[in-house]
Amino acid sequence: DTAVSQTPKYLVTQMGNDKSIKCEQNLGHDTMYWYKQDSKKFLKIMFSYNNKELIINETVPNRFSPKSPDKAHLNLHINSLELGDSAVYFCASSQDRTYTGELFFGEGSRLTVL
Amino acid sequence: AQSVAQPEDQVNVAEGNPLTVKCTYSVSGNPYLFWYVQYPNRGLQFLLKYITGDNLVKGSYGFEAEFNKSQTSFHLKKPSALVSDSALYFCAVRVLRFLYSGGGADGLTFGKGTHLIIQP
Repeated sequence: DTAVSQTPKYLVTQMGNDKSIKCEQNLGHDTMYWYKQDSKKFLKIMFSYNNKELIINETVPNRFSPKSPDKAHLNLHINSLELGDSAVYFCASSQDRTYTGELFFGEGSRLTVL
Repeated sequence: AQSVAQPEDQVNVAEGNPLTVKCTYSVSGNPYLFWYVQYPNRGLQFLLKYITGDNLVKGSYGFEAEFNKSQTSFHLKKPSALVSDSALYFCAVRVLRFLYSGGGADGLTFGKGTHLIIQP
């Protein structure tokens, strides 16, 4: 069983469209994250949720809206897509917000905006 | 601000030779350090972490890392490289947030990554 799963794996769309990426973890973790990896492979945290509560909202345009229906799911909705949104988006989870817990990552969702 | 730096974009090593991928950190308080590996078109896989205790930490796939407080470094090492070790390696630090509001740590801050290339 995949621990952290994301869908879709690939997403190609036009500028101005709205799209969503879904993430589910079956590890029983309390905390989930969204990271963005750009074309230079740089990883930056976007959001963090703990037990469905938003904890971190980095300086991300408000076109990006995360939603956590329950603690096993964290979805990412993007409105009015722009060329610069093209990237690989990774979902991750950790047991909780303790200092020692590593993060478990999904396989990524590659978004290409044309 | 808490951060890690990976000074090398790429490291080339011959198969069978020892390898080192460098990482230095800048944190206030105790550092919580991690190494991850990313294979092409895959997610990040956890290799090892340093929280406290022994300065030499052993991890997956024969990798180990040495925590050096005086040099603020956490270099990743392996005694004998395999071609299959070729990948992108990330050093990371666990970020402390909301320290004064009773919260814990959130997320990881990553270095820019080092491409490790093992030549047959």
